[in-house]
Amino acid sequence: AQSVAQPEDQVNVAEGNPLTVKCTYSVSGNPYLFWYVQYPNRGLQFLLKYITGDNLVKGSYGFEAEFNKSQTSFHLKKPSALVSDSALYFCAVRRDQGYSTLTFGKGTMLLVSP
Amino acid sequence: DSGVTQTPKHLITATGQRVTLRCSPRSGDLSVYWYQQSLDQGLQFLIQYYNGEERAKGNILERFSAQQFPDLHSELNLSSLELGDSALYFCASSDGQGRRQGYTFGSGTRLTVV
Repeated sequence: AQSVAQPEDQVNVAEGNPLTVKCTYSVSGNPYLFWYVQYPNRGLQFLLKYITGDNLVKGSYGFEAEFNKSQTSFHLKKPSALVSDSALYFCAVRRDQGYSTLTFGKGTMLLVSP
Repeated sequence: DSGVTQTPKHLITATGQRVTLRCSPRSGDLSVYWYQQSLDQGLQFLIQYYNGEERAKGNILERFSAQQFPDLHSELNLSSLELGDSALYFCASSDGQGRRQGYTFGSGTRLTVV
């Protein structure tokens, strides 16, 4: 079985400060990892993914994520938060071999204050 | 516009009724996935179809069923509706298994059961 844990229901950060949204995963074999963002009344939008290669992956809107195999983590980061980054963020995992669907975490609400 | 079209956007119905949600996948995508998003359960995988065949089943109730038609659009049928079925239902699509590319989500159907 595969699973994702997003330990924080909500993260609060002031505009201009760095932000981190945490994600840990469990999967048999090697993981494919994804971050999605959901704005109010919208569907999930792809932000970035880790498939293989460099542990630091860069994505849309200035976001990046660091894959740490030993800690089974894939934390989402941004050096300087914007108020417009306020949204619901989902981490997702699947294994690299065989068949599996994407398993999502419960989501973390990011609130960026002016 | 993600290319995944879901109709209707909103649906209000009474307990005990039956509704059908429709999804047209992104052009070229063969797989369709249905997810249910509720406040307490997060994003739950319901079912996947690949090129007209059921491929995987998740936490889908027996009162719920789905199918994918030859033109690749999919319908999710929810029957004997209960108050607890009120949720946001998302459709997503991918080419093949979406192993490396992840999924593309529609904007969802908000179902309210009264």
